[in-house]
Amino acid sequence: QSVLTQPPSASGTPGQRVTISCSGSSSNIGTNYVYWYQQFPGTAPKLLISGDNQRPSGVPDRFSGSKSGTSASLAISGLRSEDEADYHCAAWDDSLSGPVVFGGGTKLTVL
Amino acid sequence: QVQLVQSGAEVKKPGASVKVSCKASGYTFTSYGFNWVRQAPGQGLEWMGRITTYNGNTKYSQKVQGRLTMTTDTSTSTAYMELRDLRSDDTALYFCARDPFPGHYWGQGTLVTVSS
Repeated sequence: QSVLTQPPSASGTPGQRVTISCSGSSSNIGTNYVYWYQQFPGTAPKLLISGDNQRPSGVPDRFSGSKSGTSASLAISGLRSEDEADYHCAAWDDSLSGPVVFGGGTKLTVL
Repeated sequence: QVQLVQSGAEVKKPGASVKVSCKASGYTFTSYGFNWVRQAPGQGLEWMGRITTYNGNTKYSQKVQGRLTMTTDTSTSTAYMELRDLRSDDTALYFCARDPFPGHYWGQGTLVTVSS
């Protein structure tokens, strides 16, 4: 049972815009930055978004992050087949769950 | 460039211990701490703990507290994670990840399988 809640799956067709949600609480998303990772099976996660909405160098601007209250979202526009992967959200947590908590991950399928 | 290279896959019996290493290169080892994160098959990521390299201070998650020990060897720029009294639900891919965390720098992962 993950502290942050993500939908287990999402899908879209090439060129479409998809969003993945991440729900938390006042002790994590509500007061701390949100991070997003992309992960392919059997490999290490790759940082996509830090500080709620900042893209590290090299991450395409098709990927964007947003946050409102205790929920956050990752949006992927112009969906490509190579975007098919697992996506994880993370945040610092000020409660005993912490200090870093993750979502359960969302499997994105490009149809 | 920063590289974190982990030790190879392990198969252990229930009740045994496992020690995974994470060798760092490309930066000053004592400037950044390490986190350990695991991922059970088909599951999300789980933060296990963190160690500060310059003084060895540690913080562990409540879930593994008492079974987990993190250490570093500054002479070889290597971080270690030892998990004792292994159970079947410890079967997972274990990652080291350098500070700042959550961040860019992760090891490639070490698969630990616990099976009788």
